[in-house]
Amino acid sequence: SQTIHQWPATLVQPVGSPLSLECTVEGTSNPNLYWYRQAAGRGLQLLFYSVGIGQISSEVPQNLSASRPQDRQFILSSKKLLLSDSGFYLCAWSFLQGPGELFFGEGSRLTVL
Amino acid sequence: DAKTTQPNSMESNEEEPVHLPCNHSTISGTDYIHWYRQLPSQGPEYVIHGLTSNVNNRMASLAIAEDRKSSTLILHRATLRDAAVYYCILSRRGNTPLVFGKGTRLSVIA
Repeated sequence: SQTIHQWPATLVQPVGSPLSLECTVEGTSNPNLYWYRQAAGRGLQLLFYSVGIGQISSEVPQNLSASRPQDRQFILSSKKLLLSDSGFYLCAWSFLQGPGELFFGEGSRLTVL
Repeated sequence: DAKTTQPNSMESNEEEPVHLPCNHSTISGTDYIHWYRQLPSQGPEYVIHGLTSNVNNRMASLAIAEDRKSSTLILHRATLRDAAVYYCILSRRGNTPLVFGKGTRLSVIA
């Protein structure tokens, strides 16, 4: 069976500090990978998605970036965090082909102070 | 991209059926209808999806209008654990990512 893990679960970072959130998927090959963010009291916003190693599509221009160094690894990064980067970050995967059912990780709650 | 329209909130009594509506009048012939739900402090959870025919699974039923311009998620007996935000989303087969709207916040009253 397939599983998805993301870490860390929670973190508190000062403004201007770097960020690295990691996500890995097990039990499948060539998944589509996604990063979503949910700010407090807001909806789920698609940030990045990837259909293969090194292939990243950005949905929202901002100070965040994503990388996919391996088939089942997806990393969300920032060089300098802003207060507005606070939120609940969710990694998800889907099969490469199919109607697009998404499987979400446990989420990483980021607070920028 | 085709859009969906859902009520902001709904309320139901425990152990009664719940019908959550979704309008998608601009749906195309290749769009799947997905439903997800999100419990507090958790990621969204897949509920059900369909294309043209009604679908049933252990969590819910999906009733799709004949013209596919609307659908209804049916929870047969609401429990307190069903209190969540329910999202109705359209997707195309392949690599198009799912875009979540604001969903419907379902409250279940004991």
